[in-house]
Amino acid sequence: SAVISQKPSRDICQRGTSLTIQCQVDSQVTMMFWYRQQPGQSLTLIATANQGSEATYESGFVIDKFPISRPNLTFSTLTVSNMSPEDSSIYLCSVSRTGTNTEAFFGQGTRLTVV
Amino acid sequence: DQQVKQNSPSLSVQEGRISILNCDYTNSMFDYFLWYKKYPAEGPTFLISISSIKDKNEDGRFTVFLNKSAKHLSLHIVPSQPGDSAVYFCAGVGGTSYGKLTFGQGTILTVHP
Repeated sequence: SAVISQKPSRDICQRGTSLTIQCQVDSQVTMMFWYRQQPGQSLTLIATANQGSEATYESGFVIDKFPISRPNLTFSTLTVSNMSPEDSSIYLCSVSRTGTNTEAFFGQGTRLTVV
Repeated sequence: DQQVKQNSPSLSVQEGRISILNCDYTNSMFDYFLWYKKYPAEGPTFLISISSIKDKNEDGRFTVFLNKSAKHLSLHIVPSQPGDSAVYFCAGVGGTSYGKLTFGQGTILTVHP
């Protein structure tokens, strides 16, 4: 398994501001993923963070709103920009075993509340 | 388009009995299915997965069954323990979409002592 650490674990932010969430993995991984869980909802994939190239965004998510960095094989950041109360969610970082679909591991999540 | 559905929002069982959590999917491209347990304020914890070429996978108290023709899978927990009380998510992933999971809505399992 992989140990994934996310910072911050929670935050309360003012609307219109931005928050950057950090994800650190204890081993090198090719792909990292960012998910969102809105209140009472399922987990939805935001984007895939690829080292050395731009992130790949899922339908409904755009780079201007959720810019992602992936400077090396163990670290990624997700920024939630120009926040509104609708952005209040749990944001989760995930990694999978390279080249397999048998397991995927998650960080503990960042609980964001926008007021 | 909800590709993975967990139609039971909640399930309540007695300690020691069997818990059966169900999941349906529509995407025929899924070739792996994964189950996760999630406690409040924690990230999802991987439980067990199954390949689409199998119909059963077992790991301790957890068994997952896959009925590919019905596009249905289920997670059996035997015996259920109070510590199993959590939200359970099933997820599908397909082809070369490594790590890109499509989740169901989750089922809240409560195991009563």
